[in-house]
Amino acid sequence: DAKTTQPPSMDCAEGRAANLPCNHSTISGNEYVYWYRQIHSQGPQYIIHGLKNNETNEMASLIITEDRKSSTLILPHATLRDTAVYYCIAVLPTSGTYKYIFGTGTRLKVLA
Amino acid sequence: DGGITQSPKYLFRKEGQNVTLSCEQNLNHDAMYWYRQDPGQGLRLIYYSQIVNDFQKGDIAEGYSVSREKKESFPLTVTSAQKNPTAFYLCASSIPGNTIYFGEGSWLTVV
Repeated sequence: DAKTTQPPSMDCAEGRAANLPCNHSTISGNEYVYWYRQIHSQGPQYIIHGLKNNETNEMASLIITEDRKSSTLILPHATLRDTAVYYCIAVLPTSGTYKYIFGTGTRLKVLA
Repeated sequence: DGGITQSPKYLFRKEGQNVTLSCEQNLNHDAMYWYRQDPGQGLRLIYYSQIVNDFQKGDIAEGYSVSREKKESFPLTVTSAQKNPTAFYLCASSIPGNTIYFGEGSWLTVV
C-alpha cells in the first residue's frame, strides 16, 4: 500500500472551507484514496473515497489530482463539530492479504 | 441497527493478567481487524482476519492473540506477555478491499 503524508495540524475558521491536503506520490493505479476522521476517544468515521475522479457526498468533497499523486479533502462549511483528526490512506482492493495503514493524520481545529 | 459493537468500553487489568476484548459485527463482513492506538498516535494493526478460522499477524502482534470461530465475532486477548498494554483498542470490519468500519473502541488500563 502506498505511503501517505499529511500536515500534522491545521486551523480553520468556523463557516469557512477546510482544505486538508494529502500526498500519496507512490500510489498505484488501482489504489483508492480513503479519508476518515476521528473525534477524541471514538472510532474513526468514514468520510469519502475515490480512485481518479473527484467525489462529493453529504459530508465532504474529494479532489484528486490528475496524476493521482495528491488529493485534498474539502469540508465546505466547517463547524466546531468538525474538529477532529483526519486520516488519508491508500487502499488496494484485493481479496488477498490486505490491511489499511493509518498514519498520524492531520489534527484540524475549527475556530469560533 | 447494523454496526460493530465493542465491549467493555473501559477495562482495567492487573499486572500478569490476561484480558479479552469483545468485538461483534452484524454487517455480514468477511474481514475483521484489531488496531491499537496510543495517545496522540495513529493506528497500528495488531491482527486481521479475512475469513472464519483464519487470521494473520499485523505489525504489532506480540503479546496478543485472537480467534475467529464465527463470522460475526473476533475477540482479542491481551496476554501477560504484552508489556505495555495500556492503550485504546479499535475493532473494525469490511468486505475485503472495501470500506472499513470501526467500532467505538475499548480503553484498557493496567493498574
